Amino acid sequence: EIVLTQSPGTLSLSPGERATLSCRASQSVSSSYLAWYQQKPGQAPRLLIYGASSRATGIPDRFSGSGSGTDFTLTVSRLEPEDFAVYYCQQYGSSPPYTFGQGTKLEI
Amino acid sequence: EVQLVESGGGLVQPGGSLRLSCVASGFTFRSYWMHWVRQVPGKGLVWVSRINSDGSITTYADSVKGRFTISRDNAKNTLYLQMNSLRAGDTAVYYCARPRLVVGAPDFDSWGQGTLVTVSS
Repeated sequence: EIVLTQSPGTLSLSPGERATLSCRASQSVSSSYLAWYQQKPGQAPRLLIYGASSRATGIPDRFSGSGSGTDFTLTVSRLEPEDFAVYYCQQYGSSPPYTFGQGTKLEI
Repeated sequence: EVQLVESGGGLVQPGGSLRLSCVASGFTFRSYWMHWVRQVPGKGLVWVSRINSDGSITTYADSVKGRFTISRDNAKNTLYLQMNSLRAGDTAVYYCARPRLVVGAPDFDSWGQGTLVTVSS
């Protein structure tokens, strides 16, 4: 089972600033099958990034993903008030289980 | 518009059973693999189970293997999760989730609103 470790656990920033979130895998993620999700309180997760760097439909271009192998990054270039939420990475390249990271809380 | 609507959650005693349902609309349900993902309130996401498009292939997380059964009725556009021998550790919000693509590795672009299962005496 691939274990994903996200850092930091909590990131405190202000609107307009740049956010950099990290996701490290315990072994290489095949074919960069790494996704990022955003979750707000009381809501289901929303897919932001798939294939490590492709934005999902309707996702603003201030969200970008990068990385390969075991190290991946989600960047939010200029934070908007609605971006403050919890972010999860997920690997889905190997056989199940499709594991998630423990989450990074992005707070004001 | 893709919609996934879960139901069937509630309070159940340890050792009890519950069946969750997820009704799908807005897409060709019978073409997609479908998944269940759960989340302890305030905690992270955990993948639980998957089923292929015709129901002939199922896979489970080790934590639920032998206790949970995933199934589907393509005529009713409905996904199920039968949960038996429930434990306190199964307490969570259960989401059904649809992969972005009909074929290929599953990143999930559609989620239900979730249904809360509470296992407690």
